[in-house]
Amino acid sequence: QVQLKESGPGLVQPSQTLSLTCTVSGFSLTSYNVHWVRQPPGKGLEWMGRMRYNGDTSYNSALKSRLSISRDTSKNQVFLKMNSLQTDDTGTYYCTRHLFDYWGQGVMVTVSS
Amino acid sequence: DVVLTQTPPTLSATIGQSVSISCRSSQSLLHSNGNTYLHWLLQRPGQSPQLLIYLVSRLESGVPNRFSGSGSGTDFTLKISGVEAEDLGVYYCVQGTHAPYTFGAGTKLELK
Repeated sequence: QVQLKESGPGLVQPSQTLSLTCTVSGFSLTSYNVHWVRQPPGKGLEWMGRMRYNGDTSYNSALKSRLSISRDTSKNQVFLKMNSLQTDDTGTYYCTRHLFDYWGQGVMVTVSS
Repeated sequence: DVVLTQTPPTLSATIGQSVSISCRSSQSLLHSNGNTYLHWLLQRPGQSPQLLIYLVSRLESGVPNRFSGSGSGTDFTLKISGVEAEDLGVYYCVQGTHAPYTFGAGTKLELK
């Protein structure tokens, strides 16, 4: 069955780089898009960016200068890297497929010294 | 970027009541391929969001048919025909027509 699972550090220091991995199963990254979405505590959802099935990427305008999304199709993984983290980057980070039909459980990231 | 405006921000309902949520877009969500990539999600407390309706009006597999979606262009509506206790949470519309994609701010459905 289709599954997505996020992994990465729970705590990142301010100004450092966040690296997250989304490991997928049950579908091919060369057939479906994968998005990254985040949610600050108690707030709404924010679309961060997308890895398209053909390898193209799109990014949130406000995050574009700090954000990079890549993939390793042989490992069924999509990666998120975001630099210059600040406290307002604290929140739960999700990966989700295609038409937002399947979601990971999310990973909570706290930016704090 | 496309702005999605959801109303109301909060909705109080009794069990069995029918309710509607509006999602208005700052530009048409009709894609050049003929599809309209406007979807509705529900996030229950402490859970990941789940897809309810995709492409405006298509019911996701396993979702009860008391949920329905309608609309076109820039105006879209999610209707729940007979709220049940399990429907409580925050509803989001999301557009996937114009990159960067965007979410509405959410509508919290509470019990009256």
